[in-house]
Amino acid sequence: EPEVTQTPSHQVTQMGQEVILRCVPISNHLYFYWYRQILGQKVEFLVSFYNNEISEKSEIFDDQFSVERPDGSNFTLKIRSTKLEDSAMYFCASSEFGGRNAGELFFGEGSRLTVL
Amino acid sequence: AQSVAQPEDQVNVAEGNPLTVKCTYSVSGNPYLFWYVQYPNRGLQFLLKYITGDNLVKGSYGFEAEFNKSQTSFHLKKPSALVSDSALYFCAVRDRDDKIIFGKGTRLHILP
Repeated sequence: EPEVTQTPSHQVTQMGQEVILRCVPISNHLYFYWYRQILGQKVEFLVSFYNNEISEKSEIFDDQFSVERPDGSNFTLKIRSTKLEDSAMYFCASSEFGGRNAGELFFGEGSRLTVL
Repeated sequence: AQSVAQPEDQVNVAEGNPLTVKCTYSVSGNPYLFWYVQYPNRGLQFLLKYITGDNLVKGSYGFEAEFNKSQTSFHLKKPSALVSDSALYFCAVRDRDDKIIFGKGTRLHILP
């Protein structure tokens, strides 16, 4: 069964460092998302991406965050200068359909980011 | 704005008993509702969805959910709980801008 894969599974970084989290969505999916979850609690929307551009972003997704689809398979989340409060589990998700035909999201296993 | 509420932080059920995890929604227009499950140290897994049609929706692992328009609810149910059902359950709604918004989650404990 096709799945969303994420790397790394865990990254520890120093405050102020840049971090790139990588995701390989399901191959025929066209809509991509990043969510984050702090301490196993609420899952918060960060950004959605379609047709090589951001569709929507939340208040959390400030200028320190960026997303990119550098090739036909990867979807990356970059945090330019990490803060302590960026420590969380980051989930990538993809969906085959969007808009009025939108269905369920398929999630990766997550990348745990620890900022020291 | 579309939103969902899960009034219970935790639900405890004895193995073999029926379980219900509650969810209410607030949407304008027709709701697109979902349930996801998260096992420890794992990603979210899709359980079921309501888009249109029958109010009783059947999903994975024997779960089902009942859409109730008058009560604006979408409770998750299972007739007979298993210990392996213990996990974190999220109700969710897809909003007009295409993203899925999650509730705060309900931790389900099935007691052997």
